[in-house]
Amino acid sequence: KAGVTQTPRYLIKTRGQQVTLSCSPISGHRSVSWYQQTPGQGLQFLFEYFSETQRNKGNFPGRFSGRQFSNSRSEMNVSTLELGDSALYLCASSVAGQGDTLHFGNGTRLTVT
Amino acid sequence: AQRVTQPEKLLSVFKGAPVELKCNYSYSGSPELFWYVQYSRQRLQLLLRHISRESIKGFTADLNKGETSFHLKKPFAQEEDSAMYYCALSPTGANNLFFGTGTRLTVIP
Repeated sequence: KAGVTQTPRYLIKTRGQQVTLSCSPISGHRSVSWYQQTPGQGLQFLFEYFSETQRNKGNFPGRFSGRQFSNSRSEMNVSTLELGDSALYLCASSVAGQGDTLHFGNGTRLTVT
Repeated sequence: AQRVTQPEKLLSVFKGAPVELKCNYSYSGSPELFWYVQYSRQRLQLLLRHISRESIKGFTADLNKGETSFHLKKPFAQEEDSAMYYCALSPTGANNLFFGTGTRLTVIP
């Protein structure tokens, strides 16, 4: 089985721009979660989608949003980028959630200049 | 609010020595606790979870509700155990994880 795939691997954006990150979960997995990883804050939960619905949300501003498609693929969008948004964004999928094992992708490294 | 604390950012042990990575948590309910590991150039992956009560790669972790701890232990460290270890908590009935800041374990040959 192919693992969780995140595209692109690297992104460089300018302050004020917006960005969209993509995540393809493991086949058969219906839950997709997003995490932000920074040296200062570590790994922080952004949100989780299940069956195209946001089921859980972390403590991030509304500039961070996401969606999930009928094939379980998910996208994350960040609008009006700030320097502090520079981070590794990790996507994780699981079969159905509710305590299932999370399978992580390699992440998208976003740099905001 | 939930919190996971890993007091050691770095931990070095000699090969063959016992290793213990500490994890303390705060949560009012009954959480699920996990250890995730990231080896060099690999993605973050599950090492073990407390409800499984199993030993993975020689590692075990016991949930101590009285001390709100979930320390990871291995009696004899191996060089291939060198990695970044994250303790994580999942609130009751949820699928999101709250991670500790991680401990980088280095096993010295």
